[in-house]
Amino acid sequence: SYVLTQPPSVSVAPGQTARITCGGNNIGGKSVHWYHQKPGQAPVLAVYNDYDRPSGTPERFSGSNSGNTATLTISRVEAGDEADYYCQVWDSSSDHVVFGGGTKLTVL
Amino acid sequence: QVQLQESGPGLVKPSETLSLSCTVSGYSISTGYYWGWIRQSPGKGLEWIGNIYHSGTTYYNPSLKSRVTMSVDTSKNRFSMRMTSVAAADTAVYYCARSGEMAAPFDYWGQGALVTVSS
Repeated sequence: SYVLTQPPSVSVAPGQTARITCGGNNIGGKSVHWYHQKPGQAPVLAVYNDYDRPSGTPERFSGSNSGNTATLTISRVEAGDEADYYCQVWDSSSDHVVFGGGTKLTVL
Repeated sequence: QVQLQESGPGLVKPSETLSLSCTVSGYSISTGYYWGWIRQSPGKGLEWIGNIYHSGTTYYNPSLKSRVTMSVDTSKNRFSMRMTSVAAADTAVYYCARSGEMAAPFDYWGQGALVTVSS
């Protein structure tokens, strides 16, 4: 089965840039979606189809995807960005949805 | 605006069947889209349980497939999930969500329903 690997945690100071990676075999050939989740809340779609932003997602959030790694980049990080972030793809070979293990973003 | 709301018992005994429903408002299920269930065990990450298309076609996580059944009731504009032979490891917050297609993201989510498996 297809596996997505994320670092358990990423820490960044306010105003700096956070990069959260999502690794998978030839993930560059898939559409990657990113969600953020704050404690006690449902996940919220942050970036979809590698780099598109839903209305409501600040332009500070961007995505890229190539080779075996997709990356969610958050520029000018704010305290309010502190959350868990999950990547997600659809594995067409098995018709299954797959989530990464999640990354806790801590704003120092 | 599309809204999803999970409903079902918050406590289920081990070996029994967990049943949850998700009522959709602001969109007619019969029109289209995929409707999914995702769960999150306490302190853990998201786990996809399965999707059901409005026509009734289902897709299940292979690790749960033997225990899960999903259905759609277009007359009530809701979809449901049954999980048999539950154990403590099935204790989780269960979310329902909408996806445009299998490769699309889940764009609308319910608030989640905590289900505890305990005697």
